[in-house]
Amino acid sequence: QSALTQPASVSGSPGQSITISCTGTSSDVGSYNLVSWYQQHPGKAPKLMIYEVSKRPSGVSNRFSGSKSGNTASLTISGLQAEDEADYYCCSYAGSSTNWVFGGGTKLTVL
Amino acid sequence: QITLKESGPTLVKPTQTLTLTCTFSGFSLSTSGVGVGWIRQPPGKALEWLALIYWNDDKRYSPSLKSRLTITKDTSKNQVVLTMTNMDPVDTATYYCAHNTPKRPFDYWGQGTLVTVSS
Repeated sequence: QSALTQPASVSGSPGQSITISCTGTSSDVGSYNLVSWYQQHPGKAPKLMIYEVSKRPSGVSNRFSGSKSGNTASLTISGLQAEDEADYYCCSYAGSSTNWVFGGGTKLTVL
Repeated sequence: QITLKESGPTLVKPTQTLTLTCTFSGFSLSTSGVGVGWIRQPPGKALEWLALIYWNDDKRYSPSLKSRLTITKDTSKNQVVLTMTNMDPVDTATYYCAHNTPKRPFDYWGQGTLVTVSS
C-alpha cells in the first residue's frame, strides 16, 4: 500500500480538463510544499512534470498545473491531448525519517 | 546535459545480494545540495523510493527497507552504488536512479534496469 493515495484511473476527452488528486497526511503533503508529479509512458522512465506543488520545469507544457490544499495535492491537465495518456505519480517529502513517499499512480486515458 | 544509467545483474537468486551501479554525467556529486536516489517499480505496480545519498555523504533510506540497503558514492568516478541484501522474488522490479535536489526531487532519471529474482 502506497503512502499517498491517488485514484487508480481517470479519463477525459481531447480538449477537456482533468484533475488527479493525491491525498497524504499532515506528516507529508500537509507539512511540506515539496509535492512533485511525474508522467510515465509505458516502458519509459518517469518524467518530472511539477515540483514544489505548482512549479513547472522548463519544457513542460503550461497545460499542466499543480495545487495543494491541506493534505491533498492535485494535478490538473487542461486541453487534454492524446499524448497525455500515461501513468501519473505524485511524490512528497515526508520529513527526515521517512524522506520521500510516492503515490500509487493514476492511469490517465484520453478517450 | 544530465544523464544517468543503471547497471547490474538482470537475474539474482533468492537470498543473494544485489549490487547496482548508477553512472552519471552532467553534474557533480560534490556540488552542494545535489543527491542521487534510487527508486524501484515492480512490474505493473507503483514507484517506491529506496535510498538517497547527498553531496555531503548524508544517506537516507526507506524505513521499510533500511536494514537491507546500503548506498555509497564514488565522486571521482561519478558513480553511486546501491546494495540490497537477502533478495526475494517480491524484489523483482525495474530499478531507477535519479538526480535529486531538495526542491526538485528526481528531476532526471536513468532508463532503469529490470532485476528478476528467481531460483
